[in-house]
Amino acid sequence: DTAVSQTPKYLVTQMGNDKSIKCEQNLGHDTMYWYKQDSKKFLKIMFSYNNKELIINETVPNRFSPKSPDKAHLNLHINSLELGDSAVYFCAAQDRASYEQYFGPGTRLTVT
Amino acid sequence: GEDVEQSLFLSVREGDSSVINCTYTDSSSTYLYWYKQEPGAGLQLLTYIFSNMDMKQDQRLTVLLNKKDKHLSLRIADTQTGDSAIYFCAEKQAGTALIFGKGTTLSVSS
Repeated sequence: DTAVSQTPKYLVTQMGNDKSIKCEQNLGHDTMYWYKQDSKKFLKIMFSYNNKELIINETVPNRFSPKSPDKAHLNLHINSLELGDSAVYFCAAQDRASYEQYFGPGTRLTVT
Repeated sequence: GEDVEQSLFLSVREGDSSVINCTYTDSSSTYLYWYKQEPGAGLQLLTYIFSNMDMKQDQRLTVLLNKKDKHLSLRIADTQTGDSAIYFCAEKQAGTALIFGKGTTLSVSS
């Protein structure tokens, strides 16, 4: 079983649309993250979230919002998509006790 | 500086050792990580080291940590073509997510 899964793997959409990327982890970890990897492969944290606290990277536009229906899921909603949002988005899960952070396979978002 | 620094490229021949270097930012970082990303794939956790350790070895991988210089290295012994990938160094400060370097692209030629 995949520890951290994301859907869809590829997402192509037009500017101005609203889209969601789903993330599920079966590790039972209490903290989840969203990262963005740009075309130069630079990885930046967007959000970290556990059932008590959401920490937002101040550089993330408020068009992006994480939503967690339960402990195993952290979905990423993006409103009014822009060309610059094109990137690979990675979800990750971490157990605070072990400090091991596991990543999903990524979702490649292309905005046209 | 505020960035985790890595050299961008490394090219080695099959069978040689590879050494990928990283300079991190915060002496209070608790854990330091090495991740591998193959083309079109996600990030695979290779190994990590706690900040009170100097060295960690795991099969072909050796991690060295110089806390005084905030320098981390990953040595891959007997490098294989399957080791070709991007290697990311990352640090974890208390209460934060991982801060990644820009990645080192390792190219292994036969």
